[in-house]
Amino acid sequence: EPEVTQTPSHQVTQMGQEVILRCVPISNHLYFYWYRQILGQKVEFLVSFYNNEISEKSEIFDDQFSVERPDGSNFTLKIRSTKLEDSAMYFCASSEQVGQGAYEQYFGPGTRLTVT
Amino acid sequence: GQNIDQPTEMTATEGAIVQINCTYQTSGFNGLFWYQQHAGEAPTFLSYNVLDGLEEKGRFSSFLSRSKGYSYLLLKELQMKDSASYLCAVPHNTDKLIFGTGTRLQVFP
Repeated sequence: EPEVTQTPSHQVTQMGQEVILRCVPISNHLYFYWYRQILGQKVEFLVSFYNNEISEKSEIFDDQFSVERPDGSNFTLKIRSTKLEDSAMYFCASSEQVGQGAYEQYFGPGTRLTVT
Repeated sequence: GQNIDQPTEMTATEGAIVQINCTYQTSGFNGLFWYQQHAGEAPTFLSYNVLDGLEEKGRFSSFLSRSKGYSYLLLKELQMKDSASYLCAVPHNTDKLIFGTGTRLQVFP
């Protein structure tokens, strides 16, 4: 069964450093997302991406964050200058379509980001 | 805006039935999802309801009442592996998912 993959599984970085989290969505999917989950808290939407541009972003997704689809398969989330509060599990997700219907989002296994 | 409420924790015994409730307030409604999340892992899709009524899928069923803003997930013949968090989520603007805090279910032998 096709799946979303993410690398690395765990990233440790120092405050102020840049990190890039990588995702490979399911190949025929057109809609891509990043979510994060701080330990013990709920899953929160960060950004959605379609047709090579951001379709929606949350308040969390400030100027320190950016997303890119550099080629036909990868989808990346960059945090320019990490803060302690960026420590969380970051999930990439993709879906075939959006709109009314059972267009479930498939989640990757996540990248655990630890900022020290 | 969106608001989703679920109980924080529930416990149940192996072989039993458990019902996990979710109430929601949304501006517009495009269905409701249930996801399962084991500790440290990604959410995995369980069910989607957009019409009122019960959808059955093996040991798991999901119910929706749009007029009451209410859904529940019913798990039958509980197994130890069902110990996980169960996340209620609604799509907003047909796109992003808004998640509840999740209900952590512990199944005991």
